[in-house]
Amino acid sequence: KQEVTQIPAALSVPEGENLVLNCSFTDSAIYNLQWFRQDPGKGLTSLLLIQSSQREQTSGRLNASLDKSSGRSTLYIAASQPGDSATYLCAASRNKLIFGAGTRLAVHP
Amino acid sequence: GAGVSQTPSNKVTEKGKYVELRCDPISGHTALYWYRQSLGQGPEFLIYFQGTGAADDSGLPNDRFFAVRPEGSVSTLKIQRTERGDSAVYLCASSWDSGGTDTQYFGPGTRLTVL
Repeated sequence: KQEVTQIPAALSVPEGENLVLNCSFTDSAIYNLQWFRQDPGKGLTSLLLIQSSQREQTSGRLNASLDKSSGRSTLYIAASQPGDSATYLCAASRNKLIFGAGTRLAVHP
Repeated sequence: GAGVSQTPSNKVTEKGKYVELRCDPISGHTALYWYRQSLGQGPEFLIYFQGTGAADDSGLPNDRFFAVRPEGSVSTLKIQRTERGDSAVYLCASSWDSGGTDTQYFGPGTRLTVL
């Protein structure tokens, strides 16, 4: 049974810092690994999807890496801004998504 | 439509009542997923459809939960004899196929409160 863990559970940083959010999964037989952002009381917004054959994906200030053999993914956020404050969720996919509990990020000015 | 829509946005009901939650996927998406999210947790898979058929319903917690997608587009999640523990945000998502390689796009969710 796939289990996904995210560390840290919460993070508070000053504006401008570079951040690393961690995600680990127990079953490496995945199709892809997805990162989402969730604002309070809202649905999920897809940030990055890394196919199982890929090592990383980049979008703007975001970079996600995937190491299937070790069951790990990281989301790197460069030059954080207050608008990045949200909960970040990773999900391992084999058709259905198995989510971690998320990392709650607060970026203060 | 432009995105996945869900109705109602909020539903308050009494213990023991029957509720229906509706999901309109992105036009043309053949795969549709239902998830449930409790406060402070990540979403939990319930069921997914490929076209009209349920391809995987292993996440439905018990036989009080049922979902349909009769024409391969709109889906309805049905909960009978609601219990207080059913209170959660119910999220719907859709994607181009169920091969697992495509991004799932989520709706805003329906917040269900069972009193």
